[in-house]
Amino acid sequence: DTAVSQTPKYLVTQMGNDKSIKCEQNLGHDTMYWYKQDSKKFLKIMFSYNNKELIINETVPNRFSPKSPDKAHLNLHINSLELGDSAVYFCASSQDVVAGGSNEQFFGPGTRLTVL
Amino acid sequence: GNSVTQMEGPVTLSEEAFLTINCTYTATGYPSLFWYVQYPGEGLQLLLKATKADDKGSNKGFEATYRKETTSFHLEKGSVQVSDSAVYFCALTVYNQGGKLIFGQGTELSVKP
Repeated sequence: DTAVSQTPKYLVTQMGNDKSIKCEQNLGHDTMYWYKQDSKKFLKIMFSYNNKELIINETVPNRFSPKSPDKAHLNLHINSLELGDSAVYFCASSQDVVAGGSNEQFFGPGTRLTVL
Repeated sequence: GNSVTQMEGPVTLSEEAFLTINCTYTATGYPSLFWYVQYPGEGLQLLLKATKADDKGSNKGFEATYRKETTSFHLEKGSVQVSDSAVYFCALTVYNQGGKLIFGQGTELSVKP
């Protein structure tokens, strides 16, 4: 059974389009995250949700909008895609971190987004 | 602010060589420290962690010790294998910051037979 899954695995699209990436976890975790990995492999957090509530929103353009319909899902919608959005996007989940910060995060396989 | 600095890669070693990947951190508060590994084409997996000073994390022959006095968490393995070829990330989280991981830039390891 896949613990954290993402769809699609690859996404190729034109500048200006709107696209979504979906993430689901079957671990029963309360907290989910989106990270962006650039072409140099550098990873940076974008968003975090705890029990469907937004708790981290780093300095990400407002073209990026996360949505959590329930605590097992955290989707990422991107409007008006730009060339610089090309990256690998990773979803992750962990147990409730509101009370602390040492819980292991489980990562999905990533979605490679290419904007042409 | 909080940050993690790792040694630059790529690192190329022969099988059975000794591995050290240096990691130092800056943190406000008392961080928990992690090493994650990313195999080609895959997501990240937790390799080991340490949550307080002098703790040693270990897994699959890798180990790292949380050194508060030198703000370091260096990764070591006594004898690497070809299957250890991957990108290794040092990371930290700080209490009361929502669990976000702050990563170093990653160190690519290539092990040759």
